[in-house]
Amino acid sequence: DAGVTQSPTHLIKTRGQQVTLRCSPISGHKSVSWYQQVLGQGPQFIFQYYEKEERGRGNFPDRFSARQFPNYSSELNVNALLLGDSALYLCASSLEHSGFLSYNEQFFGPGTRLTVL
Amino acid sequence: SQKIEQNSEALNIQEGKTATLTCNYTNYSPAYLQWYRQDPGRGPVFLLLIRENEKEKRKERLKVTFDTTLKQSLFHITASQPADSATYLCALEGGYNKLIFGAGTRLAVHP
Repeated sequence: DAGVTQSPTHLIKTRGQQVTLRCSPISGHKSVSWYQQVLGQGPQFIFQYYEKEERGRGNFPDRFSARQFPNYSSELNVNALLLGDSALYLCASSLEHSGFLSYNEQFFGPGTRLTVL
Repeated sequence: SQKIEQNSEALNIQEGKTATLTCNYTNYSPAYLQWYRQDPGRGPVFLLLIRENEKEKRKERLKVTFDTTLKQSLFHITASQPADSATYLCALEGGYNKLIFGAGTRLAVHP
């Protein structure tokens, strides 16, 4: 079975440009989360979508936005790119969303490496 | 705010020894804690989850402990192998599918 897939693998942009990253979850998974991982740090939560609705948002500026489609795939958009946006962007999918007492394992994709020059 | 601390320095051990990695957290009482493995340029891979009412959990050569009083988790790899060399991330649940990660500890197992 295919795991979580992300595209593109690598991307180079210049400051001020806009970028769209794509994620296809594991078949049957309804929840998609996005994380940013700067070199040398752990992943930092950006968004979580479940059944096409935003269910969680991390501490990121409004330049970051996302959406989830009826087939549960997702896009992450970043506007007005800054040098500090250079990072590995990870998508994770799970069957359902997790709550305080329940856990659904998250499966991460390989990530998109974004370089902003 | 919630904070997770992992040893920032790389851990170097000899093949066959037990590797022990530490995860400390503050300002939170998570219902569960997870450990992930991450290889360079790849996404994290889930290894183990331990709930707040569990003291210890094992999976093959891996063992995780969870001390909610000390706010600490220890991750052990017994009979370590060079293939175990990777960065290991500790993560706490922070709400609906929101994971709060530590910076990770890089483990190098030498033959």
